[in-house]
Amino acid sequence: GESVGLHLPTLSVQEGDNSIINCAYSNSASDYFIWYKQESGKGPQFIIDIRSNMDKRQGQRVTVLLNKTVKHLSLQIAATQPGDSAVYFCAETENQAGTALIFGKGTTLSVSS
Amino acid sequence: GAVVSQHPSRVICKSGTSVKIECRSLDFQATTMFWYRQFPKQSLMLMATSNEGSKATYEQGVEKDKFLINHASLTLSTLTVTSAHPEDSSFYICSAAWGYANYGYTFGSGTRLTVV
Repeated sequence: GESVGLHLPTLSVQEGDNSIINCAYSNSASDYFIWYKQESGKGPQFIIDIRSNMDKRQGQRVTVLLNKTVKHLSLQIAATQPGDSAVYFCAETENQAGTALIFGKGTTLSVSS
Repeated sequence: GAVVSQHPSRVICKSGTSVKIECRSLDFQATTMFWYRQFPKQSLMLMATSNEGSKATYEQGVEKDKFLINHASLTLSTLTVTSAHPEDSSFYICSAAWGYANYGYTFGSGTRLTVV
């Protein structure tokens, strides 16, 4: 089936910088997208989501942008902190009953202080 | 709310034995649960979708006779890895869908399976 991919496998930033993690998806029928953070040995942790009727959504220090025209999703983290170091995944779904989330390849974010 | 509990968190078993992993929804009824497998430095790969009271739907390439999924109640799904081999060593994660119309997803904390 179709899958979600990521452009960069690793991203290294300095503490306090803004981070941008990108994701390309290929299923045009997907209408719900979620960004997850995963720390070593743990399950995915929800960060922020967005539905296809929106192009931007903001949370605390995080912003998700959705460009349906080019099937692109991004996660922006403001004032990145060492605690933000983790692997970040985007996931997509058609959000119908019984439909699973499909995950992208992941980007490892390393924050140095 | 929408908490999923997954046990055990770690298990080591001998090659040829079977291992059962449990996934429980603690404060909601999960009509649909999903099982994922994650190898080191890779993404989560969907193995199967299980609906309460019916047979699981397996993704292409996942052996249904090896990875037995049971979803007997609205709060419990189990994954049994039968006749485990070292190549089955992986991180297994369950997920449950909740809500109506606009579904939310919640994940268990994962199970690290090591087959020796």
